[in-house]
Amino acid sequence: RKEVEQDPGPFNVPEGATVAFNCTYSNSASQSFFWYRQDCRKEPKLLMSVYSSGNEDGRFTAQLNRASQYISLLIRDSKLSDSATYLCVVNIPNTDKLIFGTGTRLQVFP
Amino acid sequence: DVKVTQSSRYLVKRTGEKVFLECVQDMDHENMFWYRQDPGLGLRLIYFSYDVKMKEKGDIPEGYSVSREKKERFSLILESASTNQTSMYLCASSFFYEQYFGPGTRLTVT
Repeated sequence: RKEVEQDPGPFNVPEGATVAFNCTYSNSASQSFFWYRQDCRKEPKLLMSVYSSGNEDGRFTAQLNRASQYISLLIRDSKLSDSATYLCVVNIPNTDKLIFGTGTRLQVFP
Repeated sequence: DVKVTQSSRYLVKRTGEKVFLECVQDMDHENMFWYRQDPGLGLRLIYFSYDVKMKEKGDIPEGYSVSREKKERFSLILESASTNQTSMYLCASSFFYEQYFGPGTRLTVT
């Protein structure tokens, strides 16, 4: 089993749609979780951290389910500019290192 | 704003050459990382440094070495470049778990 698993997509959605991505992780001792966004041929950039209680940043909502070991990202009212690859990221316990998922590609069309 | 810079965006080298990739961060971060990113494989950690002159092997250190003589600078060295080292190389620095990436160096070894 991969340490962090994501559906690679692509998810093709029209502008204005709501889309959700899930990610599962294998190490139950992981404590820190993130979503990064990576545009084509660019570096990954931190989108948001994921907290146990769930958190929202504008149109983006992240949720954590520790019991089932999955993380989700919900994007509401999709924009063309949301087209990118979204990386699920989990810390390696007792280290400062992270494990990156291979990403889910989102394509928003007009 | 955190700024991580890498010495080259694109590099073409011949098999057997020694290659130096430089990374500089301006946020006084303790931790710095070198990753490579390949299609379908995601980001894989090559080396990690948690302080000046301190380093730790990542998941794929073979064929690579690193140097950290100053806190802000972390260098990746390909001792004898091979075609299977053709890849995108990404440097990052971190504040706790939040990693900030440089723009990447796309290396082609012919």
